[in-house]
Amino acid sequence: EPEVTQTPSHQVTQMGQEVILRCVPISNHLYFYWYRQILGQKVEFLVSFYNNEISEKSEIFDDQFSVERPDGSNFTLKIRSTKLEDSAMYFCASEPGLEDIYTQYFGPGTRLTVL
Amino acid sequence: RKEVEQDPGPFNVPEGATVAFNCTYSNSASQSFFWYRQDCRKEPKLLMSVYSSGNEDGRFTAQLNRASQYISLLIRDSKLSDSATYLCVVNEADSSYKLIFGSGTRLLVRP
Repeated sequence: EPEVTQTPSHQVTQMGQEVILRCVPISNHLYFYWYRQILGQKVEFLVSFYNNEISEKSEIFDDQFSVERPDGSNFTLKIRSTKLEDSAMYFCASEPGLEDIYTQYFGPGTRLTVL
Repeated sequence: RKEVEQDPGPFNVPEGATVAFNCTYSNSASQSFFWYRQDCRKEPKLLMSVYSSGNEDGRFTAQLNRASQYISLLIRDSKLSDSATYLCVVNEADSSYKLIFGSGTRLLVRP
């Protein structure tokens, strides 16, 4: 069964450093998302991406964040200058965009720890 | 006001018990509804979509009441492996189809 994959599983970084979180969505899916979950809190939407552009971003997704789909298979989330409060699980999700249009499938997540 | 609200629990039940979770959502324009399951420090996994007519998948039954903006999940004959956090999730079908998550209801099934 195809699945969303994410790397790395755990990233530790110093405050102020740049990190890139990588995701490989399910092949042939059309919609892509990043969510985050701070420990003990609910899953929060960050950004959605369709047709090679951002379709919506949340208030959390400020100028420090960016997303890219550089090669038609990877989908990346970059945080330019990490803050302590960026520590969280980051989940990538993809959606077929066809008859199953609203069902999103999540990757295993990257745990980001900012020191 | 919380967009998707759930009782955090925990619900502590014996194996074989029937347990019900409820959820309310604030946006009446919401289009799609789901229950996801999340194990500790893992990703949310789709348990089932929720339809207005109600739907069943094995031991799991989901109901949606659009008028009351209320969603429920019933688990029959609980198994130890059902222990997890159950997330009520709503898709507002706006420009991006983003999911709005509740904080989850924790279920502990004991032997």
